Amino acid sequence: AQSVAQPEDQVNVAEGNPLTVKCTYSVSGNPYLFWYVQYPNRGLQFLLKYITGDNLVKGSYGFEAEFNKSQTSFHLKKPSALVSDSALYFCAVRALMNTGFQKLVFGTGTRLLVSP
Amino acid sequence: EPEVTQTPSHQVTQMGQEVILRCVPISNHLYFYWYRQILGQKVEFLVSFYNNEISEKSEIFDDQFSVERPDGSNFTLKIRSTKLEDSAMYFCASSDGTGVNSYGYTFGSGTRLTVV
Repeated sequence: AQSVAQPEDQVNVAEGNPLTVKCTYSVSGNPYLFWYVQYPNRGLQFLLKYITGDNLVKGSYGFEAEFNKSQTSFHLKKPSALVSDSALYFCAVRALMNTGFQKLVFGTGTRLLVSP
Repeated sequence: EPEVTQTPSHQVTQMGQEVILRCVPISNHLYFYWYRQILGQKVEFLVSFYNNEISEKSEIFDDQFSVERPDGSNFTLKIRSTKLEDSAMYFCASSDGTGVNSYGYTFGSGTRLTVV
């Protein structure tokens, strides 16, 4: 079964410093990986995805993620964190169901706290 | 940018009552989904819907749940007899396809259901 793991419940970083939010995956076949962000009392906002191609994927709000097949990882990164980046971040993998339809399987989420 | 719209944003209901959560997917999308996030837990797939019928459902989606696309624009989730454990954030999503080139999901901002 497809799954993702986010080993850190919370990541703390000072504003201006680089940030990394970790995600590892377990899939059969080629992985289709996503990052979503959830601000308080808001929905899930798409940040970026990896389907194929370049291992470094650039997304919204200056975020990027690096796909590493040998380490089965898809860590989210940003060179310089902002206080406004503080939110809950979810890694997800696409899982194909028996009918051929897809669903997303989410990790448990990592709370990012950026301090001024 | 096209959005998935969910109403209401917050609903409080008494245990045993029926609730209907409403969603307006993106107009040219054909695949629709409901996900649930119990407070502090991960986002879980409930059901997918295509061509006016359920394509897949999870074990969470038991007989008390139903989905409908009553008028070609709305997509609803009905919970027939709510239980305390149904309290969660419910997210609607739509997508333009199921293949590898599909954009992925667009999520609504969610309905927070509180069962008292």
